[in-house]
Amino acid sequence: AQSVTQPDIHITVSEGASLELRCNYSYGATPYLFWYVQSPGQGLQLLLKYFSGDTLVQGIKGFEAEFKRSQSSFNLRKPSVHWSDAAEYFCAVTDTTNDYKLSFGAGTTVTVRA
Amino acid sequence: DAGVTQSPTHLIKTRGQQVTLRCSPKSGHDTVSWYQQALGQGPQFIFQYYEEEERQRGNFPDRFSGHQFPNYSSELNVNALLLGDSALYLCASSFKGQGTYEQYFGPGTRLTVT
Repeated sequence: AQSVTQPDIHITVSEGASLELRCNYSYGATPYLFWYVQSPGQGLQLLLKYFSGDTLVQGIKGFEAEFKRSQSSFNLRKPSVHWSDAAEYFCAVTDTTNDYKLSFGAGTTVTVRA
Repeated sequence: DAGVTQSPTHLIKTRGQQVTLRCSPKSGHDTVSWYQQALGQGPQFIFQYYEEEERQRGNFPDRFSGHQFPNYSSELNVNALLLGDSALYLCASSFKGQGTYEQYFGPGTRLTVT
């Protein structure tokens, strides 16, 4: 069965420190991978995506993610966190057989301390 | 360029009632997907509409139904509401011809069932 796992429920990071959020997936076909961010009471905003090609992808707001097929992972990183990055982050996966149906992880809540 | 819009923003219903939620896709998009996000969880796929037909369906009962209109807007209907239907309902739109599987989300409708 297809699944997406975000092992960390909650991460607290100091402002200016680096951030890494983990995502592991279990998919039979070639996956298309996404990271979304959700601020309290808001919808989802797409941070970045991976379809093919360069395994290190750049997104908005200074985020990047690296696709590692051997580890079935797509971890999100940011070198220096700002207080405005406090939010919930979701990893999502689809593939050509699922035709736009996204499967989401349970999310990781990021708290930024001054 | 208007993004995905949803209405209403919030609503409160009583168990057993019926509810209709509405979604207008991003300009140029032809596909609408609906997701349910319970508190503290990732979004769960309900169904997807393309060319006014339901193309895919997640693991939701028949109480959940939908419709897509010729202008690509969509409705989600839920009959015989249960307390467990309380959630944030997200609409996402995409363009099948683009082949990139990107979905853009609206702000959501917060449904509370009492």
